Amino acid sequence: EPEVTQTPSHQVTQMGQEVILRCVPISNHLYFYWYRQILGQKVEFLVSFYNNEISEKSEIFDDQFSVERPDGSNFTLKIRSTKLEDSAMYFCASSGGTSEQYFGPGTRLTVT
Amino acid sequence: AQSVTQLGSHVSVSEGALVLLRCNYSSSVPPYLFWYVQYPNQGLQLLLKYTTGATLVKGINGFEAEFKKSETSFHLTKPSAHMSDAAEYFCAVSKNNQGGKLIFGQGTELSVKP
Repeated sequence: EPEVTQTPSHQVTQMGQEVILRCVPISNHLYFYWYRQILGQKVEFLVSFYNNEISEKSEIFDDQFSVERPDGSNFTLKIRSTKLEDSAMYFCASSGGTSEQYFGPGTRLTVT
Repeated sequence: AQSVTQLGSHVSVSEGALVLLRCNYSSSVPPYLFWYVQYPNQGLQLLLKYTTGATLVKGINGFEAEFKKSETSFHLTKPSAHMSDAAEYFCAVSKNNQGGKLIFGQGTELSVKP
């Protein structure tokens, strides 16, 4: 069964460093998303991506964040200068022609 | 704007007992509604969804949910809990369009006692 994959599973970085989180969506899907979950809090929408451009973004997704689909398979989230409050689990998701979103296992980002 | 409220951050049931996890939503447009489950150290797995049509929807692992527009609710139920049902459950809402973002509730942790 097709699935969304994410790498790495756990990333530790120092405050101020850049990180890139990687996702491989399901191959025939057209819509891509990033969500995050701070420990003990709800899952929050960050950004959605369709047809090689951002279709919607939340207030959280400020200039420090960017997304890219560098090739036909990967979908990346970059945080330019990490802050302590960026520590969270980051989930990638994808969907095809339906409303159903399929989630990856997540990347736990720890900023020290 | 859309929002989701899950009543009870933690629910504990005995094995074999009824599971009832509550979800109320707010939406200015007809919503799409979802329940996701998260097992420890895993991603979110879709349990079931309501888009249009029949208001009682059945999902995986014996779970079902009923969309009640008058009550703005989408409660999740299972007649008989299994130990393997212990997990975090999230209710979510989206607008009825392709590519729409999911708005999640706070989550409910389900514990199942032997």
